[in-house]
Amino acid sequence: QKEVEQDPGPLSVPEGAIVSLNCTYSNSAFQYFMWYRQYSRKGPELLMYTYSSGNKEDGRFTAQVDKSSKYISLFIRDSQPSDSATYLCAMNRLAGRRALTFGSGTRLQVQP
Amino acid sequence: DGGITQSPKYLFRKEGQNVTLSCEQNLNHDAMYWYRQDPGQGLRLIYYSQIVNDFQKGDIAEGYSVSREKKESFPLTVTSAQKNPTAFYLCASVDGQRFEQYFGPGTRLTVT
Repeated sequence: QKEVEQDPGPLSVPEGAIVSLNCTYSNSAFQYFMWYRQYSRKGPELLMYTYSSGNKEDGRFTAQVDKSSKYISLFIRDSQPSDSATYLCAMNRLAGRRALTFGSGTRLQVQP
Repeated sequence: DGGITQSPKYLFRKEGQNVTLSCEQNLNHDAMYWYRQDPGQGLRLIYYSQIVNDFQKGDIAEGYSVSREKKESFPLTVTSAQKNPTAFYLCASVDGQRFEQYFGPGTRLTVT
């Protein structure tokens, strides 16, 4: 079983929709959570990062962490065609090598 | 203009040849990481370095080697011992005690 599970999609939504992307994880040592956006053939771009359980908002993006359920989410409001990309969740421990453990990514397509 | 650069963007090699991928950062970050990405999979850690002249194996280090002679540079060599080298290679760095990693644009290596 993978440490981080993420639905690969693809997820297709109409422009303006609210998008919900999710990851579950099994290792309670993960304490720091990130969401990356990756366009085709490009490097991942950091969107959001959070340490605590709860919500963190940045513009149209909201990251949600529920450590008790080992579940994290990224919500995109008023989705745009430019949001079409692969979204990767990532997480790491507070101690040790601090390398990220990634989900496999969810491919999102926003239809105009 | 700070950032991480990787070169070349595309690289083609014949089987049995070693090849070196470049990663340079001018962010003054201490730690640097190499990941490999295969289609439909998340990123997997190859090697990482938290300080100059020191580096550690990641989860899939076999067939790869690195050096860290300068803080700004962390080149990755893909050797002929790597059984399946065709992939998208990503370099990342992180600042001091923080956890969020920033990625370069990637190098797509094709070995035939």
